[in-house]
Amino acid sequence: GIQVEQSPPDLILQEGANSTLRCNFSDSVNNLQWFHQNPWGQLINLFYIPSGTKQNGRLSATTVATERYSLLYISSSQTTDSGVYFCAVMVGSWGKLQFGAGTQVVVTP
Amino acid sequence: DGGITQSPKYLFRKEGQNVTLSCEQNLNHDAMYWYRQDPGQGLRLIYYSQIVNDFQKGDIAEGYSVSREKKESFPLTVTSAQKNPTAFYLCASSTGTSADTQYFGPGTRLTVL
Repeated sequence: GIQVEQSPPDLILQEGANSTLRCNFSDSVNNLQWFHQNPWGQLINLFYIPSGTKQNGRLSATTVATERYSLLYISSSQTTDSGVYFCAVMVGSWGKLQFGAGTQVVVTP
Repeated sequence: DGGITQSPKYLFRKEGQNVTLSCEQNLNHDAMYWYRQDPGQGLRLIYYSQIVNDFQKGDIAEGYSVSREKKESFPLTVTSAQKNPTAFYLCASSTGTSADTQYFGPGTRLTVL
């Protein structure tokens, strides 16, 4: 099956810093999503981004489908950005998402 | 409010018991999913359902069972055959198309005593 690799596995940031998270995948995909899991376990969908660039406030994402990677940018990080960021991809017509292992982000005051 | 609810939030089970985790959605979504998350790891798919009365095994279905009798509900039973059931269980739903996004419930944390 498709492999999804995220880097770095862990990231410690000072409040106000910028960062880039990376997701590499091993095959062509027709759906790629970024999620944030807060410290209480709730997953929130950040972006649906199979290709191109999107921005939502301080977060933005870029997927280069031809080169099989996606990047998530966090700018001016805040303590509320702490948690685990997951990339997930879909192969096939619908439904089955393959998740990466995640990047654990800790933002310190 | 539209969303996905899971209950209970915490569940303790003795070895040898079956337990059922509830998942309900009022988003009018056709597709529903169950995932398992172990500490420090990503999510793994247990079962998924595209329509009522139909469901398919995911990557780690052994020791689990599901039903989909209503569009809104997709309960998961963790049976005694599941060797290591202690984990965080997440339910999700989506419209079921290739371009859709998945929305997650708050999760159930199951501990086997």
